[in-house]
Amino acid sequence: AAGVIQSPRHLIKEKRETATLKCYPIPRHDTVYWYQQGPGQDPQFLISFYEKMQSDKGSIPDRFSAQQFSDYHSELNMSSLELGDSALYFCASSPEGTGSNTEAFFGQGTRLTVV
Amino acid sequence: AQSVTQPDIHITVSEGASLELRCNYSYGATPYLFWYVQSPGQGLQLLLKYFSGDTLVQGIKGFEAEFKRSQSSFNLRKPSVHWSDAAEYFCAVGGRDNDMRFGAGTRLTVKP
Repeated sequence: AAGVIQSPRHLIKEKRETATLKCYPIPRHDTVYWYQQGPGQDPQFLISFYEKMQSDKGSIPDRFSAQQFSDYHSELNMSSLELGDSALYFCASSPEGTGSNTEAFFGQGTRLTVV
Repeated sequence: AQSVTQPDIHITVSEGASLELRCNYSYGATPYLFWYVQSPGQGLQLLLKYFSGDTLVQGIKGFEAEFKRSQSSFNLRKPSVHWSDAAEYFCAVGGRDNDMRFGAGTRLTVKP
């Protein structure tokens, strides 16, 4: 069965650079969530999209932005990277509308290392 | 705002022993509750979920969890732990129109 695809799997960037993380949800899933998991930390919700519109916002820094495209894939753009941005970034998708009243399926994550 | 507390940061059990991982939540309405498992360097896999109905839910890999509204708890249990169960376990809470919030996680170590 198709799963959530995230690319790249690993990314190394220098401080003050920009990074773009991509997420391809499961087909027919219209809701996408982004989470950040620091080393030894629990996943922290960043932002979510439903039908290409932002549906909820968590602890996402102003340096980050995201969008969902017409094909439902999503991109997380991170600028002016800081060492503290090094983390595992998860994307998840769920079907049939907003909210966690349906099951969210997680991707394998993108490991971002800022040096 | 919803929140989740997992009181135990690290638990060690012997293979074949029973397991209970604790989860307490705070939520203003009927919560949707989840348990996820994460192996090192891997994504999050859903073990089970509770939306409504029977308060004892069965999940994959022999796990079950019981929703106790009076105690605001959703503890995860397994009668006999296998070495392959060693991982990080996350409890999460959400609602109809809210995204999930995760607990800090409990790391499970299984002794031979």
